[in-house]
Amino acid sequence: DSGVTQTPKHLITATGQRVTLRCSPRSGDLSVYWYQQSLDQGLQFLIQYYNGEERAKGNILERFSAQQFPDLHSELNLSSLELGDSALYFCASSKTSLDEQFFGPGTRLTVL
Amino acid sequence: GENVEQHPSTLSVQEGDSAVIKCTYSDSASNYFPWYKQELGKGPQLIIDIRSNVGEKKDQRIAVTLNKTAKHFSLHITETQPEDSAVYFCAARGNTGFQKLVFGTGTRLLVSP
Repeated sequence: DSGVTQTPKHLITATGQRVTLRCSPRSGDLSVYWYQQSLDQGLQFLIQYYNGEERAKGNILERFSAQQFPDLHSELNLSSLELGDSALYFCASSKTSLDEQFFGPGTRLTVL
Repeated sequence: GENVEQHPSTLSVQEGDSAVIKCTYSDSASNYFPWYKQELGKGPQLIIDIRSNVGEKKDQRIAVTLNKTAKHFSLHITETQPEDSAVYFCAARGNTGFQKLVFGTGTRLLVSP
């Protein structure tokens, strides 16, 4: 158990819908990262937050957005969902941007 | 930007054999190289990492070597066991500012009893 929690574990929804994925970092970690892992794909970095502020962006679509709250938990919002958005979404956390990243168990999103 | 290549994509070994997974990176400024193990249905688990000020690091049956001149690093697993079967990812990251981790495409390791 890495100490990073993610909810929900599974999410099934329809095209065009909007969903919110939630992540709680390890105690003491200020930085949160979101990754997407599609079938047979590696881990694609989406976005990073540090102590409430966006710090780095990767291959994140405009339909996707995220935020980190004062209690340091983070949410990833996915809107206008498409079939191709079906994937595993992982959250990771670290103390600072230069420390080790620890991953949560992921949310499996299925868009029908 | 950084690009990480990982080989092989699949690796099958017999229990007790050694396994080696290799990665190359493109950005000479990268200086942090972690390895993650991902079991089916789980999130990636950090198993070992190395920073560019050392050439080798060991932790029981696992070791990582780094060749900064050639820009490649490798994961070595000795005395493999069936529970080592998983997908292994290498990654690379710079050490200034807010640098993202760039992952390799993964190696599926199968250890047969």
